[in-house]
Amino acid sequence: DADVTQTPRNRITKTGKRIMLECSQTKGHDRMYWYRQDPGLGLRLIYYSFDVKDINKGEISDGYSVSRQAQAKFSLSLESAIPNQTALYFCATSEAGTSGTTDTQYFGPGTRLTVL
Amino acid sequence: QKEVEQNSGPLSVPEGAIASLNCTYSDRVSQSFFWYRQYSGKSPELIMSIYSNGDKEDGRFTAQLNKASQYVSLLIRDSQPSDSATYLCAVRSGGYNKLIFGAGTRLAVHP
Repeated sequence: DADVTQTPRNRITKTGKRIMLECSQTKGHDRMYWYRQDPGLGLRLIYYSFDVKDINKGEISDGYSVSRQAQAKFSLSLESAIPNQTALYFCATSEAGTSGTTDTQYFGPGTRLTVL
Repeated sequence: QKEVEQNSGPLSVPEGAIASLNCTYSDRVSQSFFWYRQYSGKSPELIMSIYSNGDKEDGRFTAQLNKASQYVSLLIRDSQPSDSATYLCAVRSGGYNKLIFGAGTRLAVHP
């Protein structure tokens, strides 16, 4: 079984709809992240959470919100989707700590979101 | 604005050759450096991490770090067609585990 899972894997929706992307992990990591990837722009951080009570905005948080329901679950919501939110979305996890292998991030399989 | 720069490519090399991928970063206090491989439509997969100046080897892969020049590279020896992918450089700065990613270099290994 995959250590980091994302649902749904693909989603097509319409402008103005509310969408939730879910991420679950069995790695036991404290830290979880949401990224989006657009062609030619690499991965950009949307939100990150260092534990259940800690939520932080990344570089492109406008139009997004998150919920950390448990150590293993981190959800990303688009309250009112717009076409320029069409992208590939990745969840990632890492251990607490900032040295050695503890700061390696592990990625889920991604969700391809299309907003029409 | 902390930046990580990579040549977008494509870098085309023949099978069996050495592929050299380069990355520069702007934040001098960066502490951790990562290379991820990403196949089209798939998630990034960690290839190498490096934390100290010098070379780090793992099989056919060698990561090289020069903090004075703010430069990190990845060498792939005996390149195979299965190495054809986009390679993402990522840098962690400061005390928080936030990574800054480059846009990636697309590598094409042709038979």
